Amino acid sequence: AQSVTQPDARVTVSEGASLQLRCKYSYFGTPYLFWYVQYPRQGLQLLLKYYPGDPVVQGVNGFEAEFSKSNSSFHLRKASVHWSDWAVYFCAVWYQGGRALIFGTGTTVSVSP
Amino acid sequence: ETAVFQTPNYHVTQVGNEVSFNCKQTLGHDTMYWYKQDSKKLLKIMFSYNNKQLIVNETVPRRFSPQSSDKAHLNLRIKSVEPEDSAVYLCASSLDSFQNTLYFGAGTRLSVL
Repeated sequence: AQSVTQPDARVTVSEGASLQLRCKYSYFGTPYLFWYVQYPRQGLQLLLKYYPGDPVVQGVNGFEAEFSKSNSSFHLRKASVHWSDWAVYFCAVWYQGGRALIFGTGTTVSVSP
Repeated sequence: ETAVFQTPNYHVTQVGNEVSFNCKQTLGHDTMYWYKQDSKKLLKIMFSYNNKQLIVNETVPRRFSPQSSDKAHLNLRIKSVEPEDSAVYLCASSLDSFQNTLYFGAGTRLSVL
């Protein structure tokens, strides 16, 4: 079955340190991939999206993600985390022919001083 | 800048009551969605409308019914709420129903006592 997996439920990182959030998808073709962020008591906001092309995608607020077809992955990275990055991050996939975004289970990022 | 508006922000009710949630988008999009986010932050697609036509209807209890008067509005009615309906209901819109970015409202938090 088509699915997207975020193996880390919670990640704690020190302010100024680098961050990587993992996302793996299950699909035989090439999906369209997204990362969204949800700040407390808010809806989801788009960080970046991947359409078939350059595997490295730049997003907002210094985030980037890299698509790997061989690893079926779309990991999110940030070089230096700020306290305002404290939020829940969702990976999502839209399969060709699909009619809605399918979300992973989310990764909560906590930032320590 | 908010372009998907949901009302109310919060709603507390008792088991068996009927509730309605409203959603309006000002982006000129053709497609709108309802997602349910449970207490563990899991996001599940419930319904999707494209130009007032239902195109996605996931397995949800029959007490849930979407209502669309025009492509800018998509409401959600729950006929007789149950305790397991306590969740955040997120409305979203996209340009069309194919692999596009979703724009989310801030959500309606429902508590069923």
